[in-house]
Amino acid sequence: DAKTTQPTSMDCAEGRAANLPCNHSTISGNEYVYWYRQIHSQGPQYIIHGLKNNETNEMASLIITEDRKSSTLILPHATLRDTAVYYCILAYNAGNMLTFGGGTRLMVKP
Amino acid sequence: NAGVMQNPRHLVRRRGQEARLRCSPMKGHSHVYWYRQLPEEGLKFMVYLQKENIIDESGMPKERFSAEFPKEGPSILRIQQVVRGDSAAYFCASSPLPPAGGGDTQYFGPGTRLTVL
Repeated sequence: DAKTTQPTSMDCAEGRAANLPCNHSTISGNEYVYWYRQIHSQGPQYIIHGLKNNETNEMASLIITEDRKSSTLILPHATLRDTAVYYCILAYNAGNMLTFGGGTRLMVKP
Repeated sequence: NAGVMQNPRHLVRRRGQEARLRCSPMKGHSHVYWYRQLPEEGLKFMVYLQKENIIDESGMPKERFSAEFPKEGPSILRIQQVVRGDSAAYFCASSPLPPAGGGDTQYFGPGTRLTVL
């Protein structure tokens, strides 16, 4: 069973920031928060991951609360191609099996 | 650097036949993972392999399913005597040697869509 909770779906206007929340209140001290997305039945695509500090890369930013019980993935300027299912996953390292929950279906609208 | 490759992309089998799905990890990656995605569901972990070793097969059905990752060549997921319920998308992922921390991640292939008639 997934240890994260995400909203089932969200809408975002094209060009605006998309903020996707994730609750993980039972996260262990050395578990990382990983984000993946799956565009229309393609293979999941890695986006970003973090442990405690906020992280940013060319795709997104990850904000993790100080108590690590929740996090937010931010797509700063959403495009139509960002329409996908976004998964928030906890794992100790890249070698662990990834447990995919239901994810958030993000619809970016013109 | 080519990504994770899977073939075939689409596979149709009749009930009772065998299905063989192949996965070539990214160059330099020695760890392979197989996941299954049933229609309208999330991915479910099946098995984790290193070269010539099965590390974790806790997600594999006990019967008809097997996986290998030989010293040479791709990883193979084999399903014997397929049934309609095996129809799904099967994704392979690879990673380099897992670090002590979360320093890297799994990279997924495009998947094989198996249809059992």
